[in-house]
Amino acid sequence: SQQGEEDPQALSIQEGENATMNCSYKTSINNLQWYRQNSGRGLVHLILIRSNEREKHSGRLRVTLDTSKKSSSLLITASRAADTASYFCATGANSKLTFGKGITLSVRP
Amino acid sequence: KAGVTQTPRYLIKTRGQQVTLSCSPISGHRSVSWYQQTPGQGLQFLFEYFSETQRNKGNFPGRFSGRQFSNSRSEMNVSTLELGDSALYLCASSLDPSGGGNQPQHFGDGTRLSIL
Repeated sequence: SQQGEEDPQALSIQEGENATMNCSYKTSINNLQWYRQNSGRGLVHLILIRSNEREKHSGRLRVTLDTSKKSSSLLITASRAADTASYFCATGANSKLTFGKGITLSVRP
Repeated sequence: KAGVTQTPRYLIKTRGQQVTLSCSPISGHRSVSWYQQTPGQGLQFLFEYFSETQRNKGNFPGRFSGRQFSNSRSEMNVSTLELGDSALYLCASSLDPSGGGNQPQHFGDGTRLSIL
């Protein structure tokens, strides 16, 4: 069963705009991670936020975590065509990751 | 540092056959996990190995098995293949000595398995 549920399922924006993706989960977590997957490739780790952290930045990425609402958001600022991909949130526990179904982001040049 | 390498990239089999997929983790990583990705079910955890021992297992039938060698390379085997086993099989390695799932996982590009 899926632990995380991303929202929206698909997002189309213009290059230069910001993209915000949301993730909700059901059970207590140790951490939450975001991954990107380009078509036909494996997943690439973007950022990990621990349950005692509220916000984390990495380059153009900003992730927030609200454990009281069991939700997280990923913000990509100043998007580029190369950001076109599927994005997944994943919760980690007991050496395994449980993924949501993913968000398809299309960035138009 | 070389990334996670999975072989083969593509595989076509028929129902009833068996298949073995291979994964070489990043040097120094002792944890290797396997995932199945399908359009309908998304990404699902198969199992995880650490120091040649299966440390965690997902909800898949016994037809799915794996092993890890002393050099941390891992293989997964699927016997008596079914049409529903068509999927992208992803391997991931990580530094996760405690098994707490608190480390990023580094994925290979997967093996695309098609069952005819």
